[in-house]
Amino acid sequence: DAGVIQSPRHEVTEMGQEVTLRCKLISGHNSLFWYRQTMMRGLELLIYFNNNVPIDDSGMPEDRFSAKMPNASFSTLKIQPSEPRDSAVYFCASSSAPPGTAKNIQYFGAGTRLSVL
Amino acid sequence: AQKVTQAQTEISVVEKEDVTLDCVYETRDTTYYLFWYKQPPSGELVFLIRRNSFDEQNEISGRYSWNFQKSTSSFNFTITASQVVDSAVYFCALISLNSGYSTLTFGKGTMLLVSP
Repeated sequence: DAGVIQSPRHEVTEMGQEVTLRCKLISGHNSLFWYRQTMMRGLELLIYFNNNVPIDDSGMPEDRFSAKMPNASFSTLKIQPSEPRDSAVYFCASSSAPPGTAKNIQYFGAGTRLSVL
Repeated sequence: AQKVTQAQTEISVVEKEDVTLDCVYETRDTTYYLFWYKQPPSGELVFLIRRNSFDEQNEISGRYSWNFQKSTSSFNFTITASQVVDSAVYFCALISLNSGYSTLTFGKGTMLLVSP
């Protein structure tokens, strides 16, 4: 079975440009998580969806960040406008159950390494 | 509040040595899950194991073993006869269930370098 698929793997852009990161969930999973990994802050949860509905976006840094699930198997994370401090690795993870349940195991994609110049 | 502490930032061993990665957690909840993830140099996060707070039995999977001790709030990970392919950053993580929705809280990670 295919795992979580993220694209692109690497993205280099200039400050002020719009960046869109993409994620395809594991088939049958209904919970979707976006994380950001930096050296300073480690792994941080940005937003969590369950059944296409955003449940908690308290980790989203600013209004420049937005995330959507246009359908049950796909999500996007958009940064507009991008800034150098957004440079990080962005991970998407999916699970077959919400995080507050016994069956929750989050499976991660390979990540997108974003560099904003 | 939840917290995971991995005090070892980096460990270097020579192949075939045994190595233990420490993980100490804090939570007020009585029902919780602990996880270990591996992040190899290629960058992806690979799920290794999940244990619940009511099961303190140690677990062994090949060269990997996990020691869960509620008395010391620790969930340590031992690799026996380490191999170069074990070189990676290892993350311990915690999620609590009593408080309803909770986030998966990660430690800062331990970088393991296994030399030939």
